[in-house]
Amino acid sequence: VIWMTQSPSLLSASTGDRVTISCRMSQGISSYLAWYQQKPGKAPELLIYAASTLQSGVPSRFSGSGSGTDFTLTISCLQSEDFATYYCQQYYSFPRTFGQGTKVEIK
Amino acid sequence: QVQLVQSGAEVKKPGASVKVSCKASGYTFTSYDINWVRQATGQGLEWMGWMNPNSGNTGYAQKFQGRVTMTRNTSISTAYMELSSLRSEDTAVYYCATGEGIVATDYWGQGTLVTVSS
Repeated sequence: VIWMTQSPSLLSASTGDRVTISCRMSQGISSYLAWYQQKPGKAPELLIYAASTLQSGVPSRFSGSGSGTDFTLTISCLQSEDFATYYCQQYYSFPRTFGQGTKVEIK
Repeated sequence: QVQLVQSGAEVKKPGASVKVSCKASGYTFTSYDINWVRQATGQGLEWMGWMNPNSGNTGYAQKFQGRVTMTRNTSISTAYMELSSLRSEDTAVYYCATGEGIVATDYWGQGTLVTVSS
């Protein structure tokens, strides 16, 4: 099983801020990493796959980077609709583990 | 457009089983894997397993081995997830998800709340 450490668990920020979320793997996964956004009462939405490829329709203020064991999700200029919870997920091997989640709240 | 529509909320007693359905439309059902993910209230996402609708092959997270069964009916483009020996800790929203790429989670169902309570 590949264990994931996602940090921080809570991030307080203001509209317009640049925010970064980290995801660290217990072993290398090449670039087999996805990022999701989830809003209360809704299903998660895929933002990024292959560590850095933006899913169709996702705003360009979202970006992903990293490979191997260390990955980052960056939101370059936080918008009001970006306040949500974000999860990373590895799909290098089974089981497809998720990070613990990062809640981005209004400061 | 791709849509996954799940069955409605369920209330079950401890020890019972629940079967959640996930009806697909807008694409060829047998083309993409189906993943099942659950989320307890206020908690994170937990991957349960996957199924290849074409072959019927499945893979389950070890935590659910022996208790979960994923099946499909290709004639009606529907996938099923059955969880047995329910306990209170299984109270959660259960999601199906599918997609074209290896991640297979581009599209998600609306979720099905399963409540386990005596």
